[in-house]
Amino acid sequence: RKEVEQDPGPFNVPEGATVAFNCTYSNSASQSFFWYRQDCRKEPKLLMSVYSSGNEDGRFTAQLNRASQYISLLIRDSKLSDSATYLCVVSAGVDSWGKLQFGAGTQVVVTP
Amino acid sequence: DAGVIQSPRHEVTEMGQEVTLRCKPISGHNSLFWYRQTMMRGLELLIYFNNNVPIDDSGMPEDRFSAKMPNASFSTLKIQPSEPRDSAVYFCASRPKDRLDQPQHFGDGTRLSIL
Repeated sequence: RKEVEQDPGPFNVPEGATVAFNCTYSNSASQSFFWYRQDCRKEPKLLMSVYSSGNEDGRFTAQLNRASQYISLLIRDSKLSDSATYLCVVSAGVDSWGKLQFGAGTQVVVTP
Repeated sequence: DAGVIQSPRHEVTEMGQEVTLRCKPISGHNSLFWYRQTMMRGLELLIYFNNNVPIDDSGMPEDRFSAKMPNASFSTLKIQPSEPRDSAVYFCASRPKDRLDQPQHFGDGTRLSIL
């Protein structure tokens, strides 16, 4: 079983619509959680950190459910520029020296 | 502020040749990570350093791969001899000093093609 699992998609989303997707992680000792986005042929870039109480950054909302070991990302009012692959990222554990586990990514395609 | 700087951006070489990839982390970051990304395997951690010391190299595929960090501002990943299956995008990332809860910042990557 992979450490971090994501639905690969693609999620085809009309412009202006809302899209949401989850990822699950296996290490219950994980302490830090992030969403990165990666555009085609580019490097992963931090989208947002995910906090225990959930957090928003503009049109993006992230939630963490420690009991069920999943995190979610919701994108409201989708823009064409939101088309990308979204990587779920989880720390490997308390003693991991900051080592991160990356999911394989969820592809989002926003269409006009 | 300068981000993580990698060189070269692209490298095309014949199998059997030695390849050296270079990385300059963000100033003040004391953890450095080397990743490889392919369509088939996604993003894989190869090795990471903390305070210039290799902490975990379990992701290094085989003895043909080696990495060094001689000082806080420079690291190399070397493949010798290179093989076509080493073709991938290699990313370097760094993380702020002593902040395990902070995200990693990636360089632009080196696109490596072994013919």
